[in-house]
Amino acid sequence: DQQVKQNSPSLSVQEGRISILNCDYTNSMFDYFLWYKKYPAEGPTFLISISSIKDKNEDGRFTVFLNKSAKHLSLHIVPSQPGDSAVYFCAASAARGANSKLTFGKGITLSVRP
Amino acid sequence: DAGVIQSPRHEVTEMGQEVTLRCKLISGHNSLFWYRQTMMRGLELLIYFNNNVPIDDSGMPEDRFSAKMPNASFSTLKIQPSEPRDSAVYFCASSLLDGNSPLHFGNGTRLTVT
Repeated sequence: DQQVKQNSPSLSVQEGRISILNCDYTNSMFDYFLWYKKYPAEGPTFLISISSIKDKNEDGRFTVFLNKSAKHLSLHIVPSQPGDSAVYFCAASAARGANSKLTFGKGITLSVRP
Repeated sequence: DAGVIQSPRHEVTEMGQEVTLRCKLISGHNSLFWYRQTMMRGLELLIYFNNNVPIDDSGMPEDRFSAKMPNASFSTLKIQPSEPRDSAVYFCASSLLDGNSPLHFGNGTRLTVT
């Protein structure tokens, strides 16, 4: 039973445009959310996070939005660059803190076309 | 910092054989997580340790799987006997137990059981 769902397995966007990656969760106890990025043959690397007390967190080209009532979060990348092509995992935790037990989605493969 | 180091990078073994995966944590980190990635189930948490103590092993699939932390900087995940359905990429991750630090993943071990 997937508690974190990334329903679109892939996304393709043009360089310079916005990439919007979506994530839904079912567990109302989740209160901390993270995005990880993964290149082939490497481990996931932390990208950005958001606590449930916020609805937006921005870091450079990356912004995460959280809609608690809809149990939905999204990652916006603008402008998208070819180097952003990777698999993006959404993750959630039911305890305060980024290093608590994380539940991951299955990932979205983003392709940014030059 | 060398990051989380996993060995071997690839392991091919025959069904019934014992498999041992190894992980060296980032110096100073005191939380250790073992994840398994498959196409069907994505990234699943198998077990995690805080300060060398196993906290949650509910993700360990069967008694054939065992994990240890013989010291603060090293962990092993053992599968005995291995089965073809154990084929997956196994990731180790470490973090600080401070409530805010994200997980740092190793590059994974790709296990193939024939």
